[in-house]
Amino acid sequence: DQQVKQNSPSLSVQEGRISILNCDYTNSMFDYFLWYKKYPAEGPTFLISISSIKDKNEDGRFTVFLNKSAKHLSLHIVPSQPGDSAVYFCAARNYGQNFVFGPGTRLSVLP
Amino acid sequence: DAGVIQSPRHEVTEMGQEVTLRCKPISGHNSLFWYRQTMMRGLELLIYFNNNVPIDDSGMPEDRFSAKMPNASFSTLKIQPSEPRDSAVYFCASSPSVTLGTGELFFGEGSRLTVL
Repeated sequence: DQQVKQNSPSLSVQEGRISILNCDYTNSMFDYFLWYKKYPAEGPTFLISISSIKDKNEDGRFTVFLNKSAKHLSLHIVPSQPGDSAVYFCAARNYGQNFVFGPGTRLSVLP
Repeated sequence: DAGVIQSPRHEVTEMGQEVTLRCKPISGHNSLFWYRQTMMRGLELLIYFNNNVPIDDSGMPEDRFSAKMPNASFSTLKIQPSEPRDSAVYFCASSPSVTLGTGELFFGEGSRLTVL
C-alpha cells in the first residue's frame, strides 16, 4: 500500500530541454512535500519542498507544482543539464511526524 | 559541521550472522530515521526516533530487526539472524525538527549490506 507513487521508473531528456518528474499521493494528511536527488553511492540530498498550502515553489532551475485536488505534484527542471542525471525521490511529511518516500524516478539527461 | 556518519559503508556476511549498522546524526538534530532502499520498494521507513525515543517502528520487517538510540549522538540497527532478503542499502537520516519548517532530512551515505 504505497502512499506516495512515482509511476515512471525512468525518464530520458535531451540536455537543455525540460524534465518533468511526477508524483501522486493518497494521504490527505500530508503537510509538506519534498524532492530529493540521489547520485550512485551517495545518500539522498534535499532539493526543493512545497507546503500543502501552496501550489508552486521555485528555486532556480527547479520548480515544484502541487495540485491538491488531484493529489499530484511535479518537479520541473529547466533547462536540464547532464549533472541532473540522478534518481529523484518524491517524499511527503505526515503532519510533523515521519516522511514517506516514493520509489524514485531515474532521470538521464543526454548531452 | 560533519554530516550524518554511517558505518560500515559495506558489509558482506553469511546468512544467520548478526549485523550491526551504526549511525551518528548531525549534532543538535533531535530526530533520527532509519530507511532501507531496495530496487522493488525504493526507500522504506524502518523506524524513527524523536529525542532518542522510538516513535514509530511499524516499518521494521520482523523481530529479527531491532534499533536503539542510547543517546543523542548514536544509533544502531541490528539484524539477528540475517537473511539474504535483508540485502539492501540502509540509510540513516537526521532532522533538526520534524515539526518546524520543512523538517527536511539529512541523509548519511548509506551502509550496503549483502547477505550471502
